[in-house]
Amino acid sequence: AQSVSQHNHHVILSEAASLELGCNYSYGGTVNLFWYVQYPGQHLQLLLKYFSGDPLVKGIKGFEAEFIKSKFSFNLRKPSVQWSDTAEYFCAVSLGSSNTGKLIFGQGTTLQVKP
Amino acid sequence: GAVVSQHPSRVICKSGTSVKIECRSLDFQATTMFWYRQFPKKSLMLMATSNEGSKATYEQGVEKDKFLINHASLTLSTLTVTSAHPEDSSFYICSALTDRNGYTFGSGTRLTVV
Repeated sequence: AQSVSQHNHHVILSEAASLELGCNYSYGGTVNLFWYVQYPGQHLQLLLKYFSGDPLVKGIKGFEAEFIKSKFSFNLRKPSVQWSDTAEYFCAVSLGSSNTGKLIFGQGTTLQVKP
Repeated sequence: GAVVSQHPSRVICKSGTSVKIECRSLDFQATTMFWYRQFPKKSLMLMATSNEGSKATYEQGVEKDKFLINHASLTLSTLTVTSAHPEDSSFYICSALTDRNGYTFGSGTRLTVV
């Protein structure tokens, strides 16, 4: 069965530190890749997505992610985190060549940024 | 942008009763909506895919008779937890899918069964 794995369950960083959250998926076909953020008490918000084209995707709030097909990975990065980035981060995958499929989520990573 | 309104945000019910959760797309039509369940410190687990005018497609292991889904219009899908028990206590989230906006999520419903 298809699955999404996030390696880091809980990450604690100081402000201005660099961030990289790992995400791997298991599926051999075409995928669409997403990173979502859930701030405390709020709904899921899309950070960025990859459907095709340039594998380096830039999203909102200074986040970016790189799709490495050979590694089945879609890691999220931010050069310098802020206290306001404290949140839950989810990697998700939909299967197929069009954005019409169900989303499969990773386990989530809790990011805590210390001021 | 697209907005999905989910109601109620919190509900407490007695064991054995039923609870209905609504998911509305406010400024767009959604032929497809998804219902997720999120456990504490856990990922979102897809429960079912709700399609307007047809029966929902449930994921393996999800009891369709317990979690009734109705998608009677292009802007409303409902999830009814029937004969709720404490183990049904969880955070339920809906999501609408459109070609233009992709996936838009509701703010979730915290269900507590006592």
